[in-house]
Amino acid sequence: NAGVTQTPKFRILKIGQSMTLQCTQDMNHNYMYWYRQDPGMGLKLIYYSVGAGITDKGEVPNGYNVSRSTTEDFPLRLELAAPSQTSVYFCASSNMASRSEQFFGPGTRLTVL
Amino acid sequence: AQTVTQSQPEMSVQEAETVTLSCTYDTSESNYYLFWYKQPPSRQMILVIRQEAYKQQNATENRFSVNFQKAAKSFSLKISDSQLGDTAMYFCAPQGAQKLVFGQGTRLTINP
Repeated sequence: NAGVTQTPKFRILKIGQSMTLQCTQDMNHNYMYWYRQDPGMGLKLIYYSVGAGITDKGEVPNGYNVSRSTTEDFPLRLELAAPSQTSVYFCASSNMASRSEQFFGPGTRLTVL
Repeated sequence: AQTVTQSQPEMSVQEAETVTLSCTYDTSESNYYLFWYKQPPSRQMILVIRQEAYKQQNATENRFSVNFQKAAKSFSLKISDSQLGDTAMYFCAPQGAQKLVFGQGTRLTINP
C-alpha cells in the first residue's frame, strides 16, 4: 500500500494564479482531511470529508475549495493565490473519525510570490 | 471549540535521558481521544501514542508513555531512554467527533 500520496511536492505560484493539490489514499478510508502548517506552527484544518460527496469547512477554509467525488481522492483547489497561502499542505485520512489514527501524506510546500 | 497549549517551545536533552513534554487542552466534548504526533526533519507526521479519554490507565508504547489527568485536562508525554532518532517536533492533538486540533508543538533535540 502506498498510503496517502500528494502531488506535487513543491510548487511556486504567482499571486492570482490557481492550482489544485492532489491527494489520494489507497486504504479505503472514509475520512479525509486537508491541513496547512505555517512555519513554526502546528497544523490547522482547512477542510475535511466524511465520505464521497460530503465535505465541510475546518478552521481556515477561506481561499480554498474541495470536492470528494470518490473515496480515494480529495483534491484541494486554491483560487487566486495570495502570499498568505504560502505554507506546507498536508492531506490525511482515517478509518473512523474520533478514535483512529490519521495517516498523513508527505506534504506539499507551496510558495506564493 | 477545542484549544491546545504546549508551553515548551523547545527542549534539549542528552541521549539516554528521560524527557517530559507538557500539554494542556480544553474541550467541551465528553468523548474524545488524545494523540501525540511527531514530525522529524523529514516533515512526515508520525503517530507516537494514543489515549482514550474514558480510560483511566495511561497509555504506553515502548519508551513512550503519557500522564493523562482528565480533570486537569493535562496530557504529557514522557520519553524514556531518549535516542537521537527522537529529535523532532512533537504535537499534542485532542480529537473530538471528527477533527484533530493541534498544539503549536515542542521542538525536541536529543544531543549525543
